[in-house]
Amino acid sequence: SQQGEEDPQALSIQEGENATMNCSYKTSINNLQWYRQNSGRGLVHLILIRSNEREKHSGRLRVTLDTSKKSSSLLITASRAADTASYFCATVRNQAGTALIFGKGTTLSVSS
Amino acid sequence: DTAVSQTPKYLVTQMGNDKSIKCEQNLGHDTMYWYKQDSKKFLKIMFSYNNKELIINETVPNRFSPKSPDKAHLNLHINSLELGDSAVYFCASSQDPTGGYSNQPQHFGDGTRLSIL
Repeated sequence: SQQGEEDPQALSIQEGENATMNCSYKTSINNLQWYRQNSGRGLVHLILIRSNEREKHSGRLRVTLDTSKKSSSLLITASRAADTASYFCATVRNQAGTALIFGKGTTLSVSS
Repeated sequence: DTAVSQTPKYLVTQMGNDKSIKCEQNLGHDTMYWYKQDSKKFLKIMFSYNNKELIINETVPNRFSPKSPDKAHLNLHINSLELGDSAVYFCASSQDPTGGYSNQPQHFGDGTRLSIL
């Protein structure tokens, strides 16, 4: 069954604003990853956070992980029109031989 | 200098036909994957290969047969295509150990949009 659920499904903001997307999952994980997908393109890896980490930063991205609540959030600060895309969280179960299990994604629209 | 390349980008065909999608990665990765993305953008793992060996087969109909001639290539052959096979198929690769779990970023191709008439 599907592992991750993103919230909200769609988000529209103005350039310069911050965008926050949330992800919940169901089973214990080894790590959680966030990916971006531009329209008509493949997924691009943004950030990976391991189960023993609580927060990670990469440029304008900040990811948090709360394993007790089985949830993660992705914050994009000072959004730009180029950030318009779908964002997916993906979890990896703490079990050998498993691959990414994706959530349904959040569609972010940033208008200038 | 494309890292993961898939061909063709678009594939339009009729029900019952057999088709193949090719994938190549030049990243030197050991593990390759096929994912299916449906019309609601939901992505699901289909197969995973490590060094030409099948690692994951996620309850995919046996009409789908992956083939890995070498660790840089993972092709997907689909027999007797059905309407429900219409989707975007993504190939990906990562540097993940045999028998381990995915703890490295995956690199995706741009997808093959398959439309069944």
